[in-house]
Amino acid sequence: DTGVSQNPRHKITKRGQNVTFRCDPISEHNRLYWYRQTLGQGPEFLTYFQNEAQLEKSRLLSDRFSAERPKGSFSTLEIQRTEQGDSAMYLCASTQSHYDTQYFGPGTRLTVL
Amino acid sequence: GQQVMQIPQYQHVQEGEDFTTYCNSSTTLSNIQWYKQRPGGHPVFLIQLVKSGEVKKQKRLTFQFGEAKKNSSLHITATQTTDVGTYFCAGRGTDSWGKLQFGAGTQVVVTP
Repeated sequence: DTGVSQNPRHKITKRGQNVTFRCDPISEHNRLYWYRQTLGQGPEFLTYFQNEAQLEKSRLLSDRFSAERPKGSFSTLEIQRTEQGDSAMYLCASTQSHYDTQYFGPGTRLTVL
Repeated sequence: GQQVMQIPQYQHVQEGEDFTTYCNSSTTLSNIQWYKQRPGGHPVFLIQLVKSGEVKKQKRLTFQFGEAKKNSSLHITATQTTDVGTYFCAGRGTDSWGKLQFGAGTQVVVTP
């Protein structure tokens, strides 16, 4: 399968714990996006990378959130000191350029107890 | 900041009927994309509109971009049960080369 993959698919954690998610984009795509989606809402932009450079980060993003793409391939999204309000589906998408289709992965569903 | 709104939030359609969902941006867009998300799935790209007044068709789906590049619509004719899902529009502002702003979506339920 050459699509976008995300791991884990589901994560249940206790409030205050740190969690890390991984996204593997389509191999030739140089742009990678992270979104958060809650029930009944559209994907909310969090951040994006062009190759290894993080070019934009949502102003709504708490400093508990950090993302990396060290070698310009896979990316990780870490949430520190999780809160119940962080419970959501975290989606990753990749594209070759800003005019092209965004290909979404299956998402990681986070539940914070 | 840029906001994208979609109406209606929910659309209940009988199989065979037509319907339209609308997308409105608070600012001028450089382009707009439409995605479909099936229940339990992830968003899947449908189409991108770039030019003012552009109209594109995909079988029973017709997409339109407004003259002012601030609104868009998706019209589905002869709705089928396979059309079930949530349809999102996503706009890119003229000053943001990376970020897509998604609307809250129109959830479509089709009754046989």
